This record gives sequence, C-alpha cells and structure tokens, in this order.
Amino acid sequence: AQSVTQPDIHITVSEGASLELRCNYSYGATPYLFWYVQSPGQGLQLLLKYFSGDTLVQGIKGFEAEFKRSQSSFNLRKPSVHWSDAAEYFCAVTNDYKLSFGAGTTVTVRA
Amino acid sequence: DTGVSQDPRHKITKRGQNVTFRCDPISEHNRLYWYRQTLGQGPEFLTYFQNEAQLEKSRLLSDRFSAERPKGSFSTLEIQRTEQGDSAMYLCASSDPDGEGTDTQYFGPGTRLTVL
Repeated sequence: AQSVTQPDIHITVSEGASLELRCNYSYGATPYLFWYVQSPGQGLQLLLKYFSGDTLVQGIKGFEAEFKRSQSSFNLRKPSVHWSDAAEYFCAVTNDYKLSFGAGTTVTVRA
Repeated sequence: DTGVSQDPRHKITKRGQNVTFRCDPISEHNRLYWYRQTLGQGPEFLTYFQNEAQLEKSRLLSDRFSAERPKGSFSTLEIQRTEQGDSAMYLCASSDPDGEGTDTQYFGPGTRLTVL
C-alpha cells in the first residue's frame, strides 16, 4: 500500500529565510506526487505535482520540489519565505486516483 | 471556473442526528471525491465517483454514511445517527483526467462538522 511520511510536524522559519519540507513516500512503482497547502479552516490548494519527466518541478508561489527516486523523497523548497506562507503543508501520493496524504507539516513564519 | 464549492461550511449537530453535506464540483469535471480530515492529520479517502457511478468506498465509510451523485453533477454526503467520532472536516475534490495515468484533484473549502 502507498504511504507518505512527513517527518517534521512543525517548522519555524524567519521571514526571508529558505524553507525545506521533507516528504518520503512508500510505493513500489513510479508514484504521482503532489504538494498541497492548507490555510487555517480552509481547503487544500495545489502547489505543484510530479507525474514524470524532469525531477525538479516548479509550482505556484515560488515553490519547487525535487523527486529523488533513490531516496523515495519529494521535498518541497522555497528560497525566501514570506509571512503569508505560514500554513500547513501536505505531501500526497497516488498511483491511480486515491490520494494518500502525510500528516502534514505546520510552518510558522517569524518576523 | 468558480472552483469546487461546499455547503454548509460549518455544521454543529447533536449526537444521533442526521446531517447532509453538498459538494458542487468544477463544471465538467467527471470525477468527484470525498475525504475526511481530523485534527492534526492529513485527509483520508472516503469515496469516489466517476460521473454518477460510485466506484469505490473506503472501509472508513461505515453503513451510517452514504454518498450520491445524481446526474453526475453535484454530490451529497449523508451521515445518519451521528457520533462524536464523526467530528471532522469533510473535503470534496473534483478532477478531470490529465491523460497521464492520474489526474489532479482540486479541493473545496470543506465542511467542518462538530457533533456534540
């Protein structure tokens, strides 16, 4: 069965600093991978996705993620964090249609 | 394209009551999904429709839960005889096949259910 692990429950980062959120997946074949962001009390907004091809994918809001098959990872990065990036971030994997999500990483941005 | 909408956004009910939630997908999206998210967790898959056909139900969806998608447009999720353990955010998503083996799901704002 497919599964996702997000090792960091909570990350605090200073505004303007870089951010990296970790995601490890467990799946036998080539997975389809996603990152979503959720603001308090809101639904999920898609940041980016990886289906195939270039392992470095660009998303919205200046985010990017790199697929590393050898490490079963799909880490999310942003070079310079803005206060509006404070939210909860979810990594998800699927091989067909059902998304399996990690438990999420809460990002706090300090001034 | 107005995105996925859900109604109501919040619902407070007493244990034992029935509740119904509605989801309106992005127009012309033929796939619709329901997920449940409890506090501090990621969403968990509940069920999935392709047009009006319900193709899969998670074991999380007990007999008290029923979902429909008449005419392949909006969907409803009903919970009968609610229990306190049903308190959660119920998320709806819709998609259209990308032609790449899977599709990209777009989520609504969710319905927050509180069972007293």
